[in-house]
Amino acid sequence: KAGVTQTPRYLIKTRGQQVTLSCSPISGHRSVSWYQQTPGQGLQFLFEYFSETQRNKGNFPGRFSGRQFSNSRSEMNVSTLELGDSALYLCASSFSPLGSGELFFGEGSRLTVL
Amino acid sequence: EDKVVQSPLSLVVHEGDTVTLNCSYEVTNFRSLLWYKQEKKAPTFLFMLTSSGIEKKSGRLSSILDKKELFSILNITATQTGDSAIYLCAVENTGNQFYFGTGTSLTVIP
Repeated sequence: KAGVTQTPRYLIKTRGQQVTLSCSPISGHRSVSWYQQTPGQGLQFLFEYFSETQRNKGNFPGRFSGRQFSNSRSEMNVSTLELGDSALYLCASSFSPLGSGELFFGEGSRLTVL
Repeated sequence: EDKVVQSPLSLVVHEGDTVTLNCSYEVTNFRSLLWYKQEKKAPTFLFMLTSSGIEKKSGRLSSILDKKELFSILNITATQTGDSAIYLCAVENTGNQFYFGTGTSLTVIP
């Protein structure tokens, strides 16, 4: 059974640009959540999608957005990139909505903003 | 403000030692507390705790939750070099929001 797949694994952008990250959950999983991981702040919750609906959103500015498709794949977009957006972005999937079971994480997309 | 605090931030031990990792939290409407192990790649699930005083055990790892004092501990006995990783604690509230600690970096020296 394939795990959670995130693409791209690494990317470099400059300030002001935008970026789109993709996450394919484990087959059959309908919940996808996104997290930002930085050395200073640790893992911070961005948002969660279940059945194409955003169910929860963390404390991030509106430059961070996402969506989920009918096949449960999810994308996350960050517009007007800032240096502080440099981080590892992890996505996790679960069969049920958050709270009903363990999360399965992807290997992350490491974003560097210059 | 909801928060999860892990201690120590980092730890270096020798193989065979026993370690205790701590996780304290202040999260309203608590639902569950989870432990993850993160090596170079994706965090992997260790335990989910919802009830106080019930120890969860998996091999040399065990964990327990105290909902009155708002903390959890993760114990690792007879540590091995393969236990070297960052151990993450997360708390979920009833609104399905996750709050993670910054993690404890464990290094096991042969």
